Amino acid sequence: QVQLLESGPGLVKPSETLSLTCIVSGGSINNYYWSWVRQPAGKGLEWIGRFYPGGTTNYNPSLRSRVTMSADTSKSQFSLRLSSVTAADTAVYYCAGGDRLYYYYVDVWGKGTTVTVSS
Amino acid sequence: QSVLTQPPSVSAAPGQKVTISCSGSNSNIGNDYVSWYQHLPGTAPTVLIYDNNQRPSGIPDRFSGSKSGTSATLDITGLQTGDEADYYCGSWDSSLRAYVFGTGTKVIVL
Repeated sequence: QVQLLESGPGLVKPSETLSLTCIVSGGSINNYYWSWVRQPAGKGLEWIGRFYPGGTTNYNPSLRSRVTMSADTSKSQFSLRLSSVTAADTAVYYCAGGDRLYYYYVDVWGKGTTVTVSS
Repeated sequence: QSVLTQPPSVSAAPGQKVTISCSGSNSNIGNDYVSWYQHLPGTAPTVLIYDNNQRPSGIPDRFSGSKSGTSATLDITGLQTGDEADYYCGSWDSSLRAYVFGTGTKVIVL
């Protein structure tokens, strides 16, 4: 059973870059489409994007200009970078994954990590 | 500003049934499968239904999904207090080239 664990700073200053890492255990990082999902307090889930190591990348159009996702397969981990953050980027961030390109859905989730954007 | 619309909340007494709707368009639900997620406070979401009506192993058959045209439905029968959670539908949107979640529905057990 694949397990995911997010890590990263809980506080980021406005205009800076948010960086989070997700460690994959219990399975191969090469067999999944890895995603990031976030949830601002009191709001719903927002899909940030997905990528396949060495292949397909899809980002939420509303965040595309600020998002980069990548993987370090040697460390079995993948990352999210979100640039020029504002208070609106304050949220619980989940790393997640699904094993399909088509008919995609998310079937594995990390526990989530809270990121606050504040000076 | 999700493209998938759900009612903000639904409620019923223990043992009863609730139905959650998810309304989309031809670029998402009408063109792809629907999945449903349960999100309990303070925990990670879990998938309840995928491919419109398939349950992962371990999900009780009290949860069932269906799809018709550009809408989908999640039914929860034999409602339990532990079912109090937020529920989200999800589908791929071919116009956005992105996965979209519904607006979310809070299930309240009276």
